[in-house]
Amino acid sequence: AQRVTQPEKLLSVFKGAPVELKCNYSYSGSPELFWYVQYSRQRLQLLLRHISRESIKGFTADLNKGETSFHLKKPFAQEEDSAMYYCALGRGGTSYGKLTFGQGTILTVHP
Amino acid sequence: DAGVTQSPTHLIKTRGQQVTLRCSPISGHKSVSWYQQVLGQGPQFIFQYYEKEERGRGNFPDRFSARQFPNYSSELNVNALLLGDSALYLCASSSGQGGNEQFFGPGTRLTVL
Repeated sequence: AQRVTQPEKLLSVFKGAPVELKCNYSYSGSPELFWYVQYSRQRLQLLLRHISRESIKGFTADLNKGETSFHLKKPFAQEEDSAMYYCALGRGGTSYGKLTFGQGTILTVHP
Repeated sequence: DAGVTQSPTHLIKTRGQQVTLRCSPISGHKSVSWYQQVLGQGPQFIFQYYEKEERGRGNFPDRFSARQFPNYSSELNVNALLLGDSALYLCASSSGQGGNEQFFGPGTRLTVL
């Protein structure tokens, strides 16, 4: 069975500091990993996916299959980054519509 | 496009009652997935439908059922409500052409008293 673990429920940093939100997964097949973000009073939205290898809003995440991790990083946090972040695992094939989410990390960026 | 829409926004029911939640996907999207999000937890997969067929079911009891209509909208039904069914129910749509990029609706907040 697949599982996603986000070890930090809460993470606080100061503006301009680097931030790393941790995500570890367990899955025997070839995973698709995603980061979703939920800002206050907004719906869940896709931040980035490992396949695209993009940098969105200054965030990057690298899939490390050896360590089964997909940590989210940003070198200089901004106050507007304060939100709930979810790491999610997707499977390919006919299961493409099913995501397994972690419990989420609340990021607070202090001025 | 308004994105994925869900109705109602909030709902209060009592134990034993039945509830129907509705979802309209983004225009052109043929896949709809349902998730339950209990307070303090990440969303948990319930169902996925593609082209009106069930393509996946999560670890939920048979009290939970769903269907997808020819216009790709979907309903989630929950019978014999329990207090533990109180949660935010999220609907997500995707094009269904491969890949897992899903677009989420605002959710329906269900409270069971």
